[in-house]
Amino acid sequence: DAKTTQPPSMDCAEGRAANLPCNHSTISGNEYVYWYRQIHSQGPQYIIHGLKNNETNEMASLIITEDRKSSTLILPHATLRDTAVYYCIVKGIEAAGNKLTFGGGTRVLVKP
Amino acid sequence: SAVISQKPSRDICQRGTSLTIQCQVDSQVTMMFWYRQQPGQSLTLIATANQGSEATYESGFVIDKFPISRPNLTFSTLTVSNMSPEDSSIYLCSVSTGTDTQYFGPGTRLTVL
Repeated sequence: DAKTTQPPSMDCAEGRAANLPCNHSTISGNEYVYWYRQIHSQGPQYIIHGLKNNETNEMASLIITEDRKSSTLILPHATLRDTAVYYCIVKGIEAAGNKLTFGGGTRVLVKP
Repeated sequence: SAVISQKPSRDICQRGTSLTIQCQVDSQVTMMFWYRQQPGQSLTLIATANQGSEATYESGFVIDKFPISRPNLTFSTLTVSNMSPEDSSIYLCSVSTGTDTQYFGPGTRLTVL
């Protein structure tokens, strides 16, 4: 079973920041938080991951709470091409924990 | 990140037949995985493809139905055997490099009539 909880859907306005929440209250100390997205009819695309510090790359920022029980993916300036299903996944760092367990994700619709 | 290709990209097959899906990576990778995504659903891991040994299957998936090969560090195949309409899904290959992040192929969309 997925160890994360996400809202099933959300809308956001083009050009605005999109803030996608994820709860992972049972996360353990050696587990990372990964974010992927799946644009319709494509394979999942890796976005970002983190352990406990906030992370930023060219696609997004990841904010992890101090207790690590929740996180937020931020798309700073959403575009229509960001419309996709976004998956928050908790994954162990050791080889045996390399599997990805996908939950239902959040279906994000960016509107003009 | 690794560049991953899958063949075929889509196919329509008759029930009772088998289809082999290929996954090719442009560089050597540590681990390769096969996932299934049924219509309207999320991804489910089928198995981990092990180089030079038998694949490791997840609960609910068996080798007779989904035989997997991985002859080297850049290539793997998944066969969907004795297909039924319930096997209609997108089948995805993913790979893990030394950075431990998994990257996914474009998927193979299978329709079984």
